Amino acid sequence: DARVTQTPRHKVTEMGQEVTMRCQPILGHNTVFWYRQTMMQGLELLAYFRNRAPLDDSGMPKDRFSAEMPDATLATLKIQPSEPRDSAVYFCASGLGVANTGELFFGEGSRLTVL
Amino acid sequence: RKEVEQDPGPFNVPEGATVAFNCTYSNSASQSFFWYRQDCRKEPKLLMSVYSSGNEDGRFTAQLNRASQYISLLIRDSKLSDSATYLCVLSSSNTGKLIFGQGTTLQVKP
Repeated sequence: DARVTQTPRHKVTEMGQEVTMRCQPILGHNTVFWYRQTMMQGLELLAYFRNRAPLDDSGMPKDRFSAEMPDATLATLKIQPSEPRDSAVYFCASGLGVANTGELFFGEGSRLTVL
Repeated sequence: RKEVEQDPGPFNVPEGATVAFNCTYSNSASQSFFWYRQDCRKEPKLLMSVYSSGNEDGRFTAQLNRASQYISLLIRDSKLSDSATYLCVLSSSNTGKLIFGQGTTLQVKP
């Protein structure tokens, strides 16, 4: 079964450290989304790409977050420096024709704890 | 105001009950609508699309009211396995991005 793969699954780090999360989208999918989920805010859209081009990162704190797709098989989300309020589950999701089908395939998430 | 609003619940219902969730949205340019399901500590998965004329998938019925800007999900004859969080999702017609509501939690009790 094709699936979205995210690493790491869990990360505990100290405030001020750099955190990099990686995502391998499903082969052939042309759209990749990064979401952050917390109890208080639910699923927040951070950034998304179509055909590797960034389309919207308005939901992302620009001063510390960055998202890239160096190639079609890898998307990265970086936080530098990390803060306790960044503690959340970060989901990567990929899809094809998403605006019409609404079908995003999510990875299992990266659970980040910043102490 | 959030683009998508849902009552977080939880909705506690007995097995066999019928339960309905509503979701309101603020952007009238929203193009498409969907319901996702998320089990505890798992990733969200697409449950069903929502069509203007309403649509059914087994025990699940989804409806869209563009005039009042809300969508609904009805679950009939609820099962224990329906216990999950149900996320309302809209697709922006301008950007194609998917915006998720905060989710409504359903707990079906024996």
